[in-house]
Amino acid sequence: EAGVTQSPTHLIKTRGQQVTLRCSPISGHTSVYWYQQALGLGLQFLLWYDEGEERNRGNFPPRFSGRQFPNYSSELNVNALELEDSALYLCASSARGGWNTGELFFGEGSRLTVL
Amino acid sequence: SQQGEEDPQALSIQEGENATMNCSYKTSINNLQWYRQNSGRGLVHLILIRSNEREKHSGRLRVTLDTSKKSSSLLITASRAADTASYFCATGGSNYKLTFGKGTLLTVNP
Repeated sequence: EAGVTQSPTHLIKTRGQQVTLRCSPISGHTSVYWYQQALGLGLQFLLWYDEGEERNRGNFPPRFSGRQFPNYSSELNVNALELEDSALYLCASSARGGWNTGELFFGEGSRLTVL
Repeated sequence: SQQGEEDPQALSIQEGENATMNCSYKTSINNLQWYRQNSGRGLVHLILIRSNEREKHSGRLRVTLDTSKKSSSLLITASRAADTASYFCATGGSNYKLTFGKGTLLTVNP
C-alpha cells in the first residue's frame, strides 16, 4: 500500500513568488493535515482538511491557503513568499476521526528554500 | 504556541543504555502520541496513549502518562545506534488539532 506522497521534494523560490505543494493521502484516508517545520521551531500546525472541508487552521497569515479535492488529495499554496517561509512542509493523513482515534501518517515532506 | 514541550532538548547515550524523554503539556488532552523523525524526513508514529491510560508498552518502548501533572515520558530500552533520531510528543485535545513539541534529539553512540 502506498504511503503519503508529497511533491515536489525540493524547490527553490525567490521572495515574492508563489508556490504550490501537493499531497496524496493513503488510500481510504479522508483527513489531510499540513505542518510547517522550520529550523529550530518544531512542527507548526497549518491546516486540517476532512471530506473536502477546512476543519481547522493554525496561526498563519492568509497567504497560506489550501484545498482538498474530491479524491482527498490536497494542495498547499503560499503566496508572496518571505525568507522565513523556508522550511520543510509536511503533509499527513489519517482515517476518519483523525488524530482523536489514531495516528497520523506523514509524507517525506517538501523542502522549500526562499532566497 | 506549542502545547507539548520535550525535555531534554538533546540526549546522548551509549548503545545498550536506556533513554528517557519527557513531555509536558498545558491543557487537557484526549490523547498523547509520540513520533520519531530521522534527519529531515517524515515523522513515524510510535505509540498513542489515551487520557484514561497510565502506561503503555510497544516492543522496547514504554510510555507513561500522568494527567494530574500534565506530563508523559517515553522510555527506550536497550538503545541501538539505529534509534538515533528526533522524538516528538504530540497532544490532541478539544482544539481540534494535534500539536507537536520541539522534540528531543537522541544520539545513540555505537
